[in-house]
Amino acid sequence: DTGVSQDPRHKITKRGQNVTFRCDPISEHNRLYWYRQTLGQGPEFLTYFQNEAQLEKSRLLSDRFSAERPKGSFSTLEIQRTEQGDSAMYLCASSYNYGYTFGSGTRLTVV
Amino acid sequence: TQLLEQSPQFLSIQEGENLTVYCNSSSVFSSLQWYRQEPGEGPVLLVTVVTGGEVKKLKRLTFQFGDARKDSSLHITAAQPGDTGLYLCAGVGSNYQLIWGAGTKLIIKP
Repeated sequence: DTGVSQDPRHKITKRGQNVTFRCDPISEHNRLYWYRQTLGQGPEFLTYFQNEAQLEKSRLLSDRFSAERPKGSFSTLEIQRTEQGDSAMYLCASSYNYGYTFGSGTRLTVV
Repeated sequence: TQLLEQSPQFLSIQEGENLTVYCNSSSVFSSLQWYRQEPGEGPVLLVTVVTGGEVKKLKRLTFQFGDARKDSSLHITAAQPGDTGLYLCAGVGSNYQLIWGAGTKLIIKP
């Protein structure tokens, strides 16, 4: 399978804990995006990498959120001191020009 | 700020009926994409429209990009229960980022 992989698929955590998600993009794709989606809404942009460089970060992204793509391949998204409002589906997508491919997402529930 | 408005937000129809979903903006996009999303999964790209006035067909699905590249529509002919899902439009902005509509939840009843 050469699609976009996200791990874990589901994560339940207690408020205040840190969580880290991983995304493995399609290997030929140089762009990698993180989005967040809540029920009944379209995805919201969080951040974007071109190769290993993080080129843009949404103003929605508080300083509790950090993302890395150290070798221009896989990426991680960390949320520190989670809050209940962080509960959402976190989607990763990779692209080469217009050809976006999304992973299945990580469903985060903060209790 | 570029915004995309989708309508209707929710549509429930009988199998065999036709339907149209609309995606409107006050902004011009270089291209626009339509996605379908199943519960618990990521969106899956259906089509990208690039040229104003462009019409693309995917079996029973017809996608149209407005002449001014500000709006788009998705028309489904003879809907089937397998068409059930969340349909999202997304305009391609700078740095190839996607600006999303809120989605149309479609239910096709057998």
